[in-house]
Amino acid sequence: DADVTQTPRNRITKTGKRIMLECSQTKGHDRMYWYRQDPGLGLRLIYYSFDVKDINKGEISDGYSVSRQAQAKFSLSLESAIPNQTALYFCATSDPTAGELFFGEGSRLTVL
Amino acid sequence: GENVEQHPSTLSVQEGDSAVIKCTYSDSASNYFPWYKQELGKRPQLIIDIRSNVGEKKDQRIAVTLNKTAKHFSLHITETQPEDSAVYFCAASKRLTGGGNKLTFGTGTQLKVEL
Repeated sequence: DADVTQTPRNRITKTGKRIMLECSQTKGHDRMYWYRQDPGLGLRLIYYSFDVKDINKGEISDGYSVSRQAQAKFSLSLESAIPNQTALYFCATSDPTAGELFFGEGSRLTVL
Repeated sequence: GENVEQHPSTLSVQEGDSAVIKCTYSDSASNYFPWYKQELGKRPQLIIDIRSNVGEKKDQRIAVTLNKTAKHFSLHITETQPEDSAVYFCAASKRLTGGGNKLTFGTGTQLKVEL
């Protein structure tokens, strides 16, 4: 089945370390997104991309950067991780005609 | 930007009862309103959505209603079952230039269906 795959699924790191979360998809979708989930805060958009040359900030982009290496790959980086970036991160895709988001399984990040 | 408020944050019902979750949005230009279900330890998945040109949509035991004038929409689950226990998120967006949606999510409702 076509899917959205995230790596790593779990990561524990220390304050100040650089972290990269990777997302790849076999759905053939152009649109890719990174969301952050915190208890009681729902899902908040970090960055989104419509194609390889298109990168857009979401509502909480400070402290994060992204790279769209190919249509199927979208990575999220934390250049210098801090404890309040501890969260569950989801990658998602969509196609331009339908509204549905297809989420990956999530990457749980803990910053000590 | 868009702001979506969701209530209640937790909801407990008896099996077989109905459950209603309500959301309000701020941007009158929003025209797409999906609902996602997230089971414990799983990814969110779309269960139903509605566009602004209709007032109600049903799919078996779930339905969504939209009141554009009041800028609120609701999820209704009838004949609840234990497998309906999950966190439910509402969201709102407007169509972006070039297609795609930039969804703003509510803060979620933890629904528990008790036997």
